[in-house]
Amino acid sequence: QKEVEQNSGPLSVPEGAIASLNCTYSDRGSQSFFWYRQYSGKSPELIMFIYSNGDKEDGRFTAQLNKASQYVSLLIRDSQPSDSATYLCAVKRGSTLGRLYFGRGTQLTVWP
Amino acid sequence: DAGITQSPRYKITETGRQVTLMCHQTWSHSYMFWYRQDLGHGLRLIYYSAAADITDKGEVPDGYVVSRSKTENFPLTLESATRSQTSVYFCASRSLAGETGELFFGEGSRLTVL
Repeated sequence: QKEVEQNSGPLSVPEGAIASLNCTYSDRGSQSFFWYRQYSGKSPELIMFIYSNGDKEDGRFTAQLNKASQYVSLLIRDSQPSDSATYLCAVKRGSTLGRLYFGRGTQLTVWP
Repeated sequence: DAGITQSPRYKITETGRQVTLMCHQTWSHSYMFWYRQDLGHGLRLIYYSAAADITDKGEVPDGYVVSRSKTENFPLTLESATRSQTSVYFCASRSLAGETGELFFGEGSRLTVL
């Protein structure tokens, strides 16, 4: 079982809709959870991080964490064509000296 | 300018050749990482380093060698390149005290092995 699994996509939503991206992880000792966005041909950039159970909102983005279910999600409200990218879920385990485990990514397309 | 830079950005080589990808960061971050990114596999960790002279294997270390004699540099060497090492390579860094645990990525090095 891979450390971090993401819904494989691709995901396509119309402009203005809510895009929902999901991620599960295998290690119950995982402490920190991250969402990176990667535009085609570019390097990943951090858009959200979450440590505690519940929701964390930042503008149009909401990260949700459920440690009991080992589940992390990212909601993008009012999706824009500029949100079209690959979204990478990453997890930091407690004892791994700062290394992150990445999922394979979900490609999102927002069409006008 | 401060940041993390990789070189070369693009490299074509032949099977069996030695290739070194360079990574330099100006933040004095303690941690540095090398990832490769391939379609269908996402980002996979090759090697990482917690400080100068401290390195450790990641998920896919075979065929690669790293060193870290100075905090700011973390070169990745393919001792005898193979076609399966054709990939995009990302170097990343983060600080020891980084509150978010955010990784800062270089722009990537696209390597083609013929």
